Amino acid sequence: EIVMTQSPATLSVSPGERATLSCRASQSVSSNLAWYQQKPGQAPRLLIYGASTRATGIPARFSGSGSGTEFTLTISSLQSEDFAVYYCQQYNNWPPGFGQGTKVEIK
Amino acid sequence: QVQLVQSGAEVKKPGASVKVSCKASGYTFTSYGISWVRQAPGQGLEWMGWISAYNGNTNYAQKLQGRVTMTTDTSTSTAYMELRSLRSDDTAVYYCARDGERIVGATTFFDYWGQGTLVTVSS
Repeated sequence: EIVMTQSPATLSVSPGERATLSCRASQSVSSNLAWYQQKPGQAPRLLIYGASTRATGIPARFSGSGSGTEFTLTISSLQSEDFAVYYCQQYNNWPPGFGQGTKVEIK
Repeated sequence: QVQLVQSGAEVKKPGASVKVSCKASGYTFTSYGISWVRQAPGQGLEWMGWISAYNGNTNYAQKLQGRVTMTTDTSTSTAYMELRSLRSDDTAVYYCARDGERIVGATTFFDYWGQGTLVTVSS
C-alpha cells in the first residue's frame, strides 16, 4: 500500500499571500495524483487531477505540479474562501489513498 | 447536473449494522464506479471500497474485508454501503464519491461527492 505524506500539517498564511503545500508518495505514483479542498461540515471538492489539471470551475490561482513521488499544490494569492484543509490522493495503485491533510489557516 | 444524495444520519449500538444509500442523478449511473470514503471526527479521509455500477464488481479495503458490503440498484441509480459488527471507532461521516474517469481495472480520483452521512456508534 502506498503511503501519502503531506507537509506541513498546518500552514499559516495571510490573505493575498502565496501558499505552497507538499505531498510525498512512498513509491512512484506517476502523475496519478489528485488534490481536494475540504471546508468544515462539507464534502471534499476536487481541485486538481493528473497532478496538474484543474477540475471544472477551479480558479486559476490553484496549480499543481510534480510527478513520481513529489507533488506540490500552490495557491498563488490566498482568498478568504481558500482557508480550508487540503488532501492529496494517489490513484496509481489499489487501494487509492489520501494524505493526512494540510490545514491552511489565516495568519 | 451530477448529484449524489445520501441518506440521513444514523445512531447504532455496538455490534449492529448500518446501511447507507447514495442516490445518483444527472448522469448515466452505470457508466461510473462509486467509492465510499469515511472520515472519523477530526480525522482525515479513509477509502473504504469501490463498486462498479456497470457490473457490480467490488474492491474493498483490506481492513474492512468481511464487515463491509457494497451494492447497487441500477433501477433507481442508487449505491449502498452496509457495515456490520459496528464498533465505536466506526463513528464517522461516510461519503459516496463518483469515479472521475472510466478506466477498466484501475482506480481513479473522485469528481463528485455526496453530502455525507454521519454514523454514530454508541451504547
